[in-house]
Amino acid sequence: ETGVTQTPRHLVMGMTNKKSLKCEQHLGHNAMYWYKQSAKKPLELMFVYSLEERVENNSVPSRFSPECPNSSHLFLHLHTLQPEDSALYLCASSQETGGVGEQYFGPGTRLTVT
Amino acid sequence: GQNIDQPTEMTATEGAIVQINCTYQTSGFNGLFWYQQHAGEAPTFLSYNVLDGLEEKGRFSSFLSRSKGYSYLLLKELQMKDSASYLCAVLDSNYQLIWGAGTKLIIKP
Repeated sequence: ETGVTQTPRHLVMGMTNKKSLKCEQHLGHNAMYWYKQSAKKPLELMFVYSLEERVENNSVPSRFSPECPNSSHLFLHLHTLQPEDSALYLCASSQETGGVGEQYFGPGTRLTVT
Repeated sequence: GQNIDQPTEMTATEGAIVQINCTYQTSGFNGLFWYQQHAGEAPTFLSYNVLDGLEEKGRFSSFLSRSKGYSYLLLKELQMKDSASYLCAVLDSNYQLIWGAGTKLIIKP
């Protein structure tokens, strides 16, 4: 247990569906992140939030829409995804952004787009 | 561009020693991380190096040479539970983490 939980753990969705991924951290951290992990590729940073404010959006397609209602919760809303979006989506948190502190990861949501 | 290179896969024997290398070219350097990720699980922090030299933590050690843009993770007395992917990541001048693709380590009895 890393103190970061993600639901659901597995998700299969069609290209016309709308779904949401949820992340919750119980560590009192101020920064939260969404990453995409594809097989044999480096982790891709998608979004960064610091104290509920989005501080980074790495050219992610608009079919991915993040939401951070408070410093403990982070959502990733998905709509009209493509098969190439199938991947493991990891949430992470850290004490703050822009520092040397380690990131704590959730177990991820394995997403399959059919 | 920024780049982190590490071997895709390595195999080692239980009880032996294995060294996983990581080389990097980044815009600036504010430290290097190693994470362990078991299949289907979250990456977990192993080590952080910002100064040259070897840092030992139990069976795991991490080495850094900033002048060579090089690090390695050394695992001693390998156990079956060490079978996992090992991710190398560098904190660049903007304090952004640049990740390698990970090294899958397979331990055989």
